[in-house]
Amino acid sequence: DAGVIQSPRHEVTEMGQEVTLRCKPISGHNSLFWYRQTMMRGLELLIYFNNNVPIDDSGMPEDRFSAKMPNASFSTLKIQPSEPRDSAVYFCASKKTGFNTGELFFGEGSRLTVL
Amino acid sequence: AQTVTQSQPEMSVQEAETVTLSCTYDTSESNYYLFWYKQPPSRQMILVIRQEAYKQQNATENRFSVNFQKAAKSFSLKISDSQLGDTAMYFCAFMSTGNQFYFGTGTSLTVIP
Repeated sequence: DAGVIQSPRHEVTEMGQEVTLRCKPISGHNSLFWYRQTMMRGLELLIYFNNNVPIDDSGMPEDRFSAKMPNASFSTLKIQPSEPRDSAVYFCASKKTGFNTGELFFGEGSRLTVL
Repeated sequence: AQTVTQSQPEMSVQEAETVTLSCTYDTSESNYYLFWYKQPPSRQMILVIRQEAYKQQNATENRFSVNFQKAAKSFSLKISDSQLGDTAMYFCAFMSTGNQFYFGTGTSLTVIP
């Protein structure tokens, strides 16, 4: 079975440009999470969807960040305009909804560098 | 709010020796899951072991075992017979009944040949 698929794996962009990160969760998983990882702050939860509905977006840093999940098999995280401090690895993760349904499965991450 | 604390930013161990990574957490919930994830240099997050809070018996997966002390809110990971491939960042994580995950800041483990 395919795991969580993220694209792109690496992105280098100039400050002010729009960045879109993409995620395809594991089929049958209806909870999806976006995390940001930096050396300074570790793994930060940005937003969490359940059945395509955002449940908790309190971790989204500011209005420049937005996330969507138009259907069960696709989600995007958009940064517009991007800034150098957004440079980080962004992970998407999915799991089946429910308490006893197992662990979180992660994608390989998207490394973003904003110059 | 749930918090997860890993107080050891870096650790090292000789190959074939045993090492213990510490994790404490804070919660008011009575049932929850705890996890240890491994992140090697490839940056892929890999599940190492998990423990459900209402189970008294400590989880074990081959060379990996946990010491779960619910009253003390402690969840340490013991790696026996350390191997070079164990070199990685290790994250402790808490999952609430609300299906949300909280991660510690990680412990960077180096296995020395």
